[in-house]
Amino acid sequence: NAGVTQTPKFRILKIGQSMTLQCTQDMNHNYMYWYRQDPGMGLKLIYYSVGAGITDKGEVPNGYNVSRSTTEDFPLRLELAAPSQTSVYFCASSYSMSLAGGDEQYFGPGTRLTVT
Amino acid sequence: EDQVTQSPEALRLQEGESSSLNCSYTVSGLRGLFWYRQDPGKGPEFLFTLYSAGEEKEKERLKATLTKKESFLHITAPKPEDSATYLCAVQARYGGATNKLIFGTGTLLAVQP
Repeated sequence: NAGVTQTPKFRILKIGQSMTLQCTQDMNHNYMYWYRQDPGMGLKLIYYSVGAGITDKGEVPNGYNVSRSTTEDFPLRLELAAPSQTSVYFCASSYSMSLAGGDEQYFGPGTRLTVT
Repeated sequence: EDQVTQSPEALRLQEGESSSLNCSYTVSGLRGLFWYRQDPGKGPEFLFTLYSAGEEKEKERLKATLTKKESFLHITAPKPEDSATYLCAVQARYGGATNKLIFGTGTLLAVQP
């Protein structure tokens, strides 16, 4: 199992450009998440998905969009990049969201994005 | 407001010097507390889940405990390879049937040989 994979590892964007961060998991997890991590701050949830075709906003969704057409893939789209979107982005997945276990999230290696 | 606070922010230990990291939380309706390890330039790596006060989990030199207001990650006789940032996260209800993870800012642990 490769687990959660993300591409690209690094990217530099100019203000106003757009890009898609790719995320794929091979664990057959229904739940997938996108976070951003900024220095000195905890990870913040951008968007999440509870299954193919179902997505919803997290704490900091502005400036981002997502789609989930398959169980495996959960791409994050940045439209009109701004310097405030400079961050490290992590994709994660989990098997469930219950108290019976299986709700631990597994993270990808991250994408470091700089917007200048 | 749901909140997670980790202390200390940074901790430097000598190899073999045991210590504890703290994670205190305020959340309405705790649905689990998670510990992660994060190495520089990598994604968080899952360590433990704790669901109820009094619960304990162990893995090698690490032991996590949970009370109603905080969790401790005890590190016994640490080695340099234990150096990393340790993240704590609590899971709370986030509308409907979904949960959310609220992360602390982490404790940066450095273990010197």
